[in-house]
Amino acid sequence: KAGVTQTPRYLIKTRGQQVTLSCSPISGHRSVSWYQQTPGQGLQFLFEYFSETQRNKGNFPGRFSGRQFSNSRSEMNVSTLELGDSALYLCASSLAGTGTYNEQFFGPGTRLTVL
Amino acid sequence: LAKTTQPISMDSYEGQEVNITCSHNNIATNDYITWYQQFPSQGPRFIIQGYKTKVTNEVASLFIPADRKSSTLSLPRVSLSDTAVYYCLVGDAGGDKIIFGKGTRLHILP
Repeated sequence: KAGVTQTPRYLIKTRGQQVTLSCSPISGHRSVSWYQQTPGQGLQFLFEYFSETQRNKGNFPGRFSGRQFSNSRSEMNVSTLELGDSALYLCASSLAGTGTYNEQFFGPGTRLTVL
Repeated sequence: LAKTTQPISMDSYEGQEVNITCSHNNIATNDYITWYQQFPSQGPRFIIQGYKTKVTNEVASLFIPADRKSSTLSLPRVSLSDTAVYYCLVGDAGGDKIIFGKGTRLHILP
């Protein structure tokens, strides 16, 4: 069974631009969550989508948004990029959603650098 | 969500058994304890999960005392490849967002 895939793996943008990251979950998984990881803040939850609906949201500004398609693939968008948005963005999928009981399967991440 | 506390870092040597303890004093009745492992520039990977007593799988054991206010991840005979960050999470299947915390940075020395 194929794992979680994320594209692109690396991305360089400049301040003020916008970016779209893509995540394909494991087949059959309906929940997709997004995380931002930085050396200073660690792993922070962005949001979760389940069956095309946003079900949970972390404490990030509205510049961070996402969506999920009917095939469970998900995209996240960051508008008006800031230097502080440089991070590893991780996507995770699970059968039943977030909730610590449910095993999360993580992708390799997208490394975003904002110049 | 129950708050967890774990050591920031630990060092050990190849071939040793490593125990990482996580404190979760306000764990709720429905909460499970889950551990993830993360290598640099990769996503976390599920290691083990338990509710009470002891759970063992092919890579680790998880010890949970009767009061469930702490838990210990045990890695037998570690190797250099076990150098990673280990996260302890406590929660239920209720759909709340997962909070990873800072984790424990384990460094295995030759």
